[in-house]
Amino acid sequence: ETGVTQTPRHLVMGMTNKKSLKCEQHLGHNAMYWYKQSAKKPLELMFVYSLEERVENNSVPSRFSPECPNSSHLFLHLHTLQPEDSALYLCASSQELNRGVNTGELFFGEGSRLTVL
Amino acid sequence: SQKIEQNSEALNIQEGKTATLTCNYTNYSPAYLQWYRQDPGRGPVFLLLIRENEKEKRKERLKVTFDTTLKQSLFHITASQPADSATYLCACDNYGQNFVFGPGTRLSVLP
Repeated sequence: ETGVTQTPRHLVMGMTNKKSLKCEQHLGHNAMYWYKQSAKKPLELMFVYSLEERVENNSVPSRFSPECPNSSHLFLHLHTLQPEDSALYLCASSQELNRGVNTGELFFGEGSRLTVL
Repeated sequence: SQKIEQNSEALNIQEGKTATLTCNYTNYSPAYLQWYRQDPGRGPVFLLLIRENEKEKRKERLKVTFDTTLKQSLFHITASQPADSATYLCACDNYGQNFVFGPGTRLSVLP
């Protein structure tokens, strides 16, 4: 295993539901990420947290709300999603040298497969 | 805008041959580049990192090259096996902050 655990692995939700994705890393890393992977498209970076502070938000719609309570846990809160938000959501962690400067590899979780009906 | 292209969406090769995958980037100059392997329904797994001042990096049957003049990285798997079948992603650093991923190449090694 990679040391990054995501739950749930599969989630089906209606457009009016509210749900959350959870990620936990056991590697002692100081940076965590949310990526979105849709069919036929490259991985898209959504959010980056370095030392529990959000350092990047790549113009993600407000219906996605991240939370990083400590360096080991990361959440993605979902509300009023659209069918086009159906995708594989991947959490990753890494060790940063300085804030915003990352030369290390990314350790990914297995992903949460989200289907929005 | 920054763009990463991988030579083909899918590549089929015969077992025992060398697989060569290409990653080309435009409109920026990454200081380093990474390759990942992704199996269906699973997260990507890191394979190799190569820096701009390194021409070549090896790990067992894997070899990566980095040509900053051509703005290209080549990823080779020698003596390929059916177990090497997967999608391979390249990722370039974004001026030292995070990574931009290519679309991936799905490799199938036929027995």
